[in-house]
Amino acid sequence: DIQMTQSPSSLSASVGDRVTITCRASQSISTYLNWYQQKPGKAPNLLIYAASSLQSGVPSRFSGSGSGTDFTLTISSLQPEDFATYYCQQSYSTPPYTFGQGTKLEIK
Amino acid sequence: EVQLVESGGGLVKPEESLRLSCAASGFTFSSYSLNWVRQTPGRGLEWVSSISSSTIYIYYADSVKGRFTISRDNAKNSLFLQMNSLRAEDTAVYYCVRGMGYMDVWGKGTTVTVSS
Repeated sequence: DIQMTQSPSSLSASVGDRVTITCRASQSISTYLNWYQQKPGKAPNLLIYAASSLQSGVPSRFSGSGSGTDFTLTISSLQPEDFATYYCQQSYSTPPYTFGQGTKLEIK
Repeated sequence: EVQLVESGGGLVKPEESLRLSCAASGFTFSSYSLNWVRQTPGRGLEWVSSISSSTIYIYYADSVKGRFTISRDNAKNSLFLQMNSLRAEDTAVYYCVRGMGYMDVWGKGTTVTVSS
């Protein structure tokens, strides 16, 4: 199975900061990489699909990039509602699909 | 409104069975692949099973293969997960999720606890 590794596991930042979260796949997955945001007690919410496509309704301060094995999620200017946990997920070929372990973004 | 609502979770003993259901509304159910994804504090998000729109393609995680069965009823806009021979490590919140590949609609989840 393809393993997904996120870094960092946790991150402290302030409102207005630019933040980058990294996800690395154990083998090339082209651009079959998706990002989700999860707030406490809620289900995950799709932010980015196919590495760089913004899901409808998601603010443009979120962006994704990368291909092959290395990917990034960037939040250009952190807003109070962005403090949450972020997960990457690979959807290369047929299942199993795998998720990263998550990055918890906390207020500094 | 596009919605997925899970039900059927609860507390069961090891080796017992449970059937989860997911009711869909607000979209053409028969056109979409669906998944079950579970989450635990210790293991994070774990994909469990997927079923294609016409049920031609069905996939399972190795951890549940042979014990869990995914199915759907397109006439009733419903997705199911039959879980047999449950283990303590199956304890999790189970989400019903739309999509094959990226997952764009998630239910609120139903909690399954396996404990003696």
